[in-house]
Amino acid sequence: DAKTTQPPSMDCAEGRAANLPCNHSTISGNEYVYWYRQIHSQGPQYIIHGLKNNETNEMASLIITEDRKSSTLILPHATLRDTAVYYCIVSNSGGSNYKLTFGKGTLLTVNP
Amino acid sequence: DAGVTQSPTHLIKTRGQHVTLRCSPISGHKSVSWYQQVLGQGPQFIFQYYEKEERGRGNFPDRFSARQFPNYSSELNVNALLLGDSALYLCASSLRWGTDTQYFGPGTRLTVL
Repeated sequence: DAKTTQPPSMDCAEGRAANLPCNHSTISGNEYVYWYRQIHSQGPQYIIHGLKNNETNEMASLIITEDRKSSTLILPHATLRDTAVYYCIVSNSGGSNYKLTFGKGTLLTVNP
Repeated sequence: DAGVTQSPTHLIKTRGQHVTLRCSPISGHKSVSWYQQVLGQGPQFIFQYYEKEERGRGNFPDRFSARQFPNYSSELNVNALLLGDSALYLCASSLRWGTDTQYFGPGTRLTVL
């Protein structure tokens, strides 16, 4: 599985954009980038995913660099409820199982 | 629509006992995956089932087993519990087998004393 690298923690002011980076330099051409978040003791929540084009939904935007070696998750107007661990995952698109391989993620703390 | 549901929410067992955890996927989803999350770590893949067949297994001992029923619900069984099995057990469902988005349930918190 392609490995991802994320900063262990980040802070953001409430109402400002939160930009969470992720490096995935060994990503293969047919592997997707997924973002999940996990609020304390709850199940991970799906946020967004993409292959090579930028994606946007009601929760966030995903910007993937042209070489696909890194991406950024953008929460446009962070709220206190966005405080969570954010996981960047490269999907396992080959072989016989399609597991998600979670790293340690980025703890985003949104401050008032 | 109801999301993924898991039962029970919390469970306390003692070493050597057996435990069964249950998961109901999102309606229409045919694939279920199980993950274990110990404190301070990201979830670790245990099993994936699709159409009642095991399609993937993570690096867990044979004490861990699972099955999927005709209605696509699933059970995770753990025998001979160890203290180290204390964790949040997460179930995720997806529409099909493959790189479909997985949606997680709230988890079952297992404590082994």
